[in-house]
Amino acid sequence: NAGVTQTPKFQVLKTGQSMTLQCAQDMNHNSMYWYRQDPGMGLRLIYYSASEGTTDKGEVPNGYNVSRLNKREFSLRLESAAPSQTSVYFCASRLGGAYGYTFGSGTRLTVV
Amino acid sequence: GENVEQHPSTLSVQEGDSAVIKCTYSDSASNYFPWYKQELGKRPQLIIDIRSNVGEKKDQRIAVTLNKTAKHFSLHITETQPEDSAVYFCAASPLNTGNQFYFGTGTSLTVIP
Repeated sequence: NAGVTQTPKFQVLKTGQSMTLQCAQDMNHNSMYWYRQDPGMGLRLIYYSASEGTTDKGEVPNGYNVSRLNKREFSLRLESAAPSQTSVYFCASRLGGAYGYTFGSGTRLTVV
Repeated sequence: GENVEQHPSTLSVQEGDSAVIKCTYSDSASNYFPWYKQELGKRPQLIIDIRSNVGEKKDQRIAVTLNKTAKHFSLHITETQPEDSAVYFCAASPLNTGNQFYFGTGTSLTVIP
C-alpha cells in the first residue's frame, strides 16, 4: 500500500517552461488536493477535486491547471513557470467526511 | 470562507515540560479539526483529530480540546521529548465530503534537551 505517490521529487525549470506534477493514490479516496508550501506561509490550497470528474479552485490557483484523470490520479500543470512558483508542492487525498488528509512526499520545484 | 488563526508561531520548551498550541476558527459550520506534525523536509502527518461532538481527545502524550462556543481548539503535548520538535499545523473543515481543510500558519516547536 503506497498511499499517495508524487513525481518528481525535485525539479528545476527555467522561466517560461511548462511541466506537470503527477499524483496518484491507492487508498480509494474520493477527494484529492494540491497545496503549495512556502516559508512562513503555511499550506495554501491551489486546486482540489472533491470527486472524480470535478475540480475547483483554491486560494492560489493563478498560473496552474489541474486534471482529475480518474479516481486515482490528479495532476497539476504549470503552463509557463515563473520564479514566484518556486515552492514545495504537496498532493493530498482524503476519503471524505471526518477523515484527515494523507499527504504525498512533496515536490521541490525551483524556477530560475 | 473559514479563517484559522494559530498561536504562537514559535515555541521553545525544556524537555519534559508541556507545550500548548492554540487555534481559533471563524466558521461555525466547521466540525472536524485535525492536527498535523511536519518534521523538517518531510510531509505533514496527521497526529490527532477531533470532531465537534467531542470536547477532548487523548492519545498517549498528546491531547486536543475543543470549545465550539468560543470557536477555539488546542493541542497539548505533555512530557515533551526532542523528537517532538517539528512544525505543527491545525486545521478546520466542515464535515462534508470533499470540503477542503483550512490550515493555520503553523507553530515551530523546539524541545531543548
